[in-house]
Amino acid sequence: NAGVTQTPKFRILKIGQSMTLQCAQDMNHNYMYWYRQDPGMGLKLIYYSVGAGITDKGEVPNGYNVSRSTTEDFPLRLELAAPSQTSVYFCASSLREGTYEQYFGPGTRLTVT
Amino acid sequence: QQPVQSPQAVILREGEDAVINCSSSKALYSVHWYRQKHGEAPVFLMILLKGGEQKGHEKISASFNEKKQQSSLYLTASQLSYSGTYFCGTPIKVEGGSNYKLTFGKGTLLTVNP
Repeated sequence: NAGVTQTPKFRILKIGQSMTLQCAQDMNHNYMYWYRQDPGMGLKLIYYSVGAGITDKGEVPNGYNVSRSTTEDFPLRLELAAPSQTSVYFCASSLREGTYEQYFGPGTRLTVT
Repeated sequence: QQPVQSPQAVILREGEDAVINCSSSKALYSVHWYRQKHGEAPVFLMILLKGGEQKGHEKISASFNEKKQQSSLYLTASQLSYSGTYFCGTPIKVEGGSNYKLTFGKGTLLTVNP
């Protein structure tokens, strides 16, 4: 099993550009998550999904969009990138919620200039 | 709603012990612990599900005091490989829904020196 994979690993965007961060998992997990991590701030939940076709906002959803057309994939879309979106983005998945461990992807380091 | 971790940072010499605390203002029914090494993704350590539960992973153990709404992570005889940032996570119920989302503390940076 590859676990949770993310692409790209690094990306530099200009202000106003758009991009999609890809995330895939091969563990047949229903639950998937997108977090951003800023220095000293821990992990903040952007969006999550409880299954294909079902997504919901997390703590910091503004400026992002997601879709979940399959169990495996959970892409994160950034529209009109802003410097405040400079961060490290982690995708994670879990079998169920709450009391189940989350498996994290390797992360995408995004810089918006 | 974010759990509070203390201390923010701790520096140890190899072989020394450390305790990292995690507390919440909300009722807890489980606590997750993760470790993140520099430049890497967080990795799961353990989940504590019941008040009074204790668990161990190598020489790392944790306890969960449900009544006090807190958990502690104990690192015994620390090794260089223990260096990293430790996060606790607590499930918070989504408003208006039946799902729970994991809310993480800001982390505790642990540095183990030779």
